[in-house]
Amino acid sequence: KQEVTQIPAALSVPEGENLVLNCSFTDSAIYNLQWFRQDPGKGLTSLLLIQSSQREQTSGRLNASLDKSSGRSTLYIAASQPGDSATYLCAGSNSGGYQKVTFGIGTKLQVIP
Amino acid sequence: ETGVTQTPRHLVMGMTNKKSLKCEQHLGHNAMYWYKQSAKKPLELMFVYSLEERVENNSVPSRFSPECPNSSHLFLHLHTLQPEDSALYLCASSQDWRGDTGELFFGEGSRLTVL
Repeated sequence: KQEVTQIPAALSVPEGENLVLNCSFTDSAIYNLQWFRQDPGKGLTSLLLIQSSQREQTSGRLNASLDKSSGRSTLYIAASQPGDSATYLCAGSNSGGYQKVTFGIGTKLQVIP
Repeated sequence: ETGVTQTPRHLVMGMTNKKSLKCEQHLGHNAMYWYKQSAKKPLELMFVYSLEERVENNSVPSRFSPECPNSSHLFLHLHTLQPEDSALYLCASSQDWRGDTGELFFGEGSRLTVL
């Protein structure tokens, strides 16, 4: 059974810092991977999708990469801002079917002004 | 309206009540999903529908009954729930349920409390 670990569970940084969030899968055969943010009491907002033929995706200050040999993904946030404070979740699929998506519990990020 | 809309946002019900959660997507997607999010646990997939046809029922108790009348609407009918069913219920959609068109888009969720 696929399991996802996100490290760290929580992170507090001063504004302006660059930071890295980590996600690892027990089964490294990841077909594609998605990163989300979730604000308290709200739904998930899609940040980046790394498709099956890709290894990396970038959007603004965010960069996500996936190492399929190890089943690890990182989300890099540059020049963090207080508005980045949220919980960040990764989710991966082991096949092309979305019934097989496994989610992590998330990393709770606090950016201090 | 854009994206995925869920109603109600908050629901409190007794164990003998019957209620429904509603989800509507305005993205022209073919697949819709119900997920359950409990504290300190990963999201759990409950149901997947593709073009109104159920493609996955993830061993969900029968007190949860999904309905998908068309590709834009999804319901979750609730009856005789238990207090442990209290959670955030999230609806999602994707272009398709397979392959690289499966990027998930979520609604804001319905916070359910069972007394």
